[in-house]
Amino acid sequence: DIQMTQSPSSLSASVGDRVTITCRASQSITRYLNWYQHKQGKAPNLLIYAASNLQGGVPSRFSGSGSGTDFTLTISSLQPEDFATYYCQQSYTTPWTFGQGTKVEIK
Amino acid sequence: QVQLQESGPGLVKPSQTLSLTCSVSGASFSSGDYFWTWIRQPAGKGLEWVGRIYSSGSINYNPSLKSRVTISVDTSKNQFSLKLTSVTAADTAVYYCARADSFMAGYHFEYWGQGSLVTVSS
Repeated sequence: DIQMTQSPSSLSASVGDRVTITCRASQSITRYLNWYQHKQGKAPNLLIYAASNLQGGVPSRFSGSGSGTDFTLTISSLQPEDFATYYCQQSYTTPWTFGQGTKVEIK
Repeated sequence: QVQLQESGPGLVKPSQTLSLTCSVSGASFSSGDYFWTWIRQPAGKGLEWVGRIYSSGSINYNPSLKSRVTISVDTSKNQFSLKLTSVTAADTAVYYCARADSFMAGYHFEYWGQGSLVTVSS
């Protein structure tokens, strides 16, 4: 199985901060990497697909980059509604696997 | 608008079979480059891919669950289902159904159900 490792596991940030979350794959997954936002009691929400493609309806403050084994999700200016847990997920090969999540909390 | 909705018992006894159904509206199983997928999240833990079924009927399971899991489709009802046998407390989780959409040979989960909490307890 391809292991996906996110860092940090949690972070505290203020509204307006720039936030960066990284995701590392245990082997190359080219650009088959997606990012999701998950809020308690709701279904995960797709933010970025294929490493850098912004899903329709997602604010432009979210962006993704990377290829191979190292990927980044950036929130350019954190908003109150962005406090949530973020997951990366690879679709390079089955079993599709997720990172362990990064919880973004209010400072 | 594609919508997915899970249904099934919220409580299952240990060693019994967990059964969930995902009802789909706004999309058809017989066409499109999609995988119909089950994902779960144990309390306090991350997301785990359970398995997927393609429109052609091709099925893949997570090897960690392969001996216990079955995914099937009922095209007449526009539903797909999950069965997990010999459950234990470790199978207690929120179970999501989702559609994986293709993009340049990769897939991403664009549509999700709201999730169904299944508790394994006697």
